[in-house]
Amino acid sequence: GAGVSQSPSNKVTEKGKDVELRCDPISGHTALYWYRQSLGQGLEFLIYFQGNSAPDKSGLPSDRFSAERTGGSVSTLTIQRTQQEDSAVYLCASSPGQGMGFNQPQHFGDGTRLSIL
Amino acid sequence: KNEVEQSPQNLTAQEGEFITINCSYSVGISALHWLQQHPGGGIVSLFMLSSGKKKHGRLIATINIQEKHSSLHITASHPRDSAVYICAVYPGSARQLTFGSGTQLTVLP
Repeated sequence: GAGVSQSPSNKVTEKGKDVELRCDPISGHTALYWYRQSLGQGLEFLIYFQGNSAPDKSGLPSDRFSAERTGGSVSTLTIQRTQQEDSAVYLCASSPGQGMGFNQPQHFGDGTRLSIL
Repeated sequence: KNEVEQSPQNLTAQEGEFITINCSYSVGISALHWLQQHPGGGIVSLFMLSSGKKKHGRLIATINIQEKHSSLHITASHPRDSAVYICAVYPGSARQLTFGSGTQLTVLP
């Protein structure tokens, strides 16, 4: 389909390893968001990309977390030296972005369920 | 205190009942989302609104900006409506969403 695609859908790794999570937004969407949903917790914002502007990283919980967005499309969220508290579902969303008003419906991927052993 | 509060946290209803889920927020917002999250985890945007009322099928969302309150109504509820319903807002000029903790709805046949 033409929705937001995330991979992998599940990832199990050992504490201390690095992980990369991928997000393919809807084609043409210039805004891309990463969120995290820990077990029993609500969704929390991590990082936001809008076009070629500098990303809003204000939600990243530590310097072990980073994200890139190449060519204004695909994004990768990287977690270095994973800890058990990083276990969560990581959700990506995209929206059309500027030019239509920046408050637009966000379209979510199915998420990556990350488990740190 | 969370910026976005939902009530109830859990709701069980019989098929056919009229359901209301409430969302209150404490900051100025530019828009509010109602989202639906099914047991598999996928999230679907139901409504985005900044004033008044929107209707889609059996779902109705209302917002009162002055009272900082929104409601999601489901008419003639069905077991397939069972999901977590999440209220999320765009606070001020922020471009990212702030989320409520969700309402777990279970509709029994």
